[in-house]
Amino acid sequence: NAGVTQTPKFRVLKTGQSMTLLCAQDMNHEYMYWYRQDPGMGLRLIHYSVGEGTTAKGEVPDGYNVSRLKKQNFLLGLESAAPSQTSVYFCASSRAGEAFFGQGTRLTVV
Amino acid sequence: QKEVEQDPGPLSVPEGAIVSLNCTYSNSAFQYFMWYRQYSRKGPELLMYTYSSGNKEDGRFTAQVDKSSKYISLFIRDSQPSDSATYLCAMSANAGNNRKLIWGLGTSLAVNP
Repeated sequence: NAGVTQTPKFRVLKTGQSMTLLCAQDMNHEYMYWYRQDPGMGLRLIHYSVGEGTTAKGEVPDGYNVSRLKKQNFLLGLESAAPSQTSVYFCASSRAGEAFFGQGTRLTVV
Repeated sequence: QKEVEQDPGPLSVPEGAIVSLNCTYSNSAFQYFMWYRQYSRKGPELLMYTYSSGNKEDGRFTAQVDKSSKYISLFIRDSQPSDSATYLCAMSANAGNNRKLIWGLGTSLAVNP
């Protein structure tokens, strides 16, 4: 049972480049989330989804887009990366409140 | 005022000590309360999950919820060096399809051998 899998684990981007982070879950959860975690700031919600085909903005959505075309996948896109987006990104999924997390993607924008 | 307040620590205790970690919150609608443990460079992992008020015990870990005081606690008995991690509290309201979790900033714990 893989749980929540994030791809890639590490990435270095140049300012202005784009990329997509992939999250896949095999627990048949309806709800999925993208967070970023920065020192002293805790986990901050970027976007979330309450089901296939739906997405909603979280606390810090600017500069990011998401898609949930399939129930098991939740994609996070950066159209034009900025140094302020250097962070650790976590995907999570949940059913009834408790969330299960992936191992994170460490992104550096130079 | 943040919806969830958590002292970031760091907290340093000797091996075998009883550890008490706490969060306070302001939203009386919160019904689901969770504690997560996060090791360095890893994703958070669910440790304890409680619905509404009361206590829940799992091995050396006990979670308490006091909704009247808007206060939740995690107790770790006989703490071990392997318990050294950051502990995050999280909570959510029973709000239909909105299952957003509200997070504390986390408390860093070091258990010294």
